[in-house]
Amino acid sequence: DSGVTQTPKHLITATGQRVTLRCSPRSGDLSVYWYQQSLDQGLQFLIQYYNGEERAKGNILERFSAQQFPDLHSELNLSSLELGDSALYFCASSVDYGPYGYTFGSGTRLTVV
Amino acid sequence: GENVEQHPSTLSVQEGDSAVIKCTYSDSASNYFPWYKQELGKRPQLIIDIRSNVGEKKDQRIAVTLNKTAKHFSLHITETQPEDSAVYFCAASMAGANNLFFGTGTRLTVIP
Repeated sequence: DSGVTQTPKHLITATGQRVTLRCSPRSGDLSVYWYQQSLDQGLQFLIQYYNGEERAKGNILERFSAQQFPDLHSELNLSSLELGDSALYFCASSVDYGPYGYTFGSGTRLTVV
Repeated sequence: GENVEQHPSTLSVQEGDSAVIKCTYSDSASNYFPWYKQELGKRPQLIIDIRSNVGEKKDQRIAVTLNKTAKHFSLHITETQPEDSAVYFCAASMAGANNLFFGTGTRLTVIP
């Protein structure tokens, strides 16, 4: 167990729907990062939060949004889902706002049908 | 932004042989280069990393080398074992950046 908890593990939903993915960082970590991993692809950075504030944004679609709550857990909201949004969504956490020593969660596998 | 290319995409070796995976990066400002191992259906796990002020780093059977002039870095696994079979990702981060740019992965298969 990495200490980074992601729920749910699997999600199947229809096109056009909206889903929320949840991540609880490792105890003591202030940064949460979201990555998308499509089939046979590397990990694409979506967004980072540090201590409740957005710190960096990657190739995140406008249909996607995220936030980090006072207890440091984070949620990634995906709306108007398309078939191409099917992917593994990983959350990672680290102590500070740099990329050093990420710890990844086990991921949420999203299938859009 | 940074662009990381990784080769080969697949690699098969006999147990006990060495495996080498190579990555190149585009931004000379990049200064942190981690490697992650992802077993089937599992999360990526950091196995080794190197910073730009170091040319080589070893940890038991794995080593990473960095050539800043050529902007490439490599992962070396010696005495491979079946449990080394996984997808390996290289990544790079630019100075001052908060995120990692990942390569597309190498699927390593160690044949017993």
